[in-house]
Amino acid sequence: DQQVKQNSPSLSVQEGRISILNCDYTNSMFDYFLWYKKYPAEGPTFLISISSIKDKNEDGRFTVFLNKSAKHLSLHIVPSQPGDSAVYFCAASAPVGTGANNLFFGTGTRLTVIP
Amino acid sequence: DTAVSQTPKYLVTQMGNDKSIKCEQNLGHDTMYWYKQDSKKFLKIMFSYNNKELIINETVPNRFSPKSPDKAHLNLHINSLELGDSAVYFCASSHGWENIQYFGAGTRLSVL
Repeated sequence: DQQVKQNSPSLSVQEGRISILNCDYTNSMFDYFLWYKKYPAEGPTFLISISSIKDKNEDGRFTVFLNKSAKHLSLHIVPSQPGDSAVYFCAASAPVGTGANNLFFGTGTRLTVIP
Repeated sequence: DTAVSQTPKYLVTQMGNDKSIKCEQNLGHDTMYWYKQDSKKFLKIMFSYNNKELIINETVPNRFSPKSPDKAHLNLHINSLELGDSAVYFCASSHGWENIQYFGAGTRLSVL
């Protein structure tokens, strides 16, 4: 069963506008959330993260919002640039084993920023 | 310098064969992982490993086994390959059990 869901497989945005990527999760044990960016033929690269004790984290043009009650998080990119075109994966971390953490990924949203 | 490197990048093989995928990281991390990305683009954890603990996803067939000669390497061995094993396999590493993991570029395995 898929515990992290990204219901929009694709998103197109004009350059300079805001991109909003959404993610929902079902497991209340998740305590840390991450966004990864992936270009073709490359591995996912870490972008930004947020702990469950916060509701917002900002890093330059990227902001992640967390709504724990709704089990929802979103990634905002402002302003969007053509180089942001990639697949974005939402991931959530849950403790497993003794001190271990595993990441559970969504299926990704392909963002296309149109020049 | 590539932080997490996997070889080979592409692997085409026949059903029933045994194959290995190598992973090396030069980040000084002590925890490594293997993920499988299936045809639906779903990235799923297979193994988590450091020198103290191996955690195996219960859905992974025992034909798959991780082998770690040292902290910088975690190789994936697959016995008796099946058509359903065709996927992209990603290696990752982290410092301890920290949440942020760093990924290799992936190995695309095609079983014919």
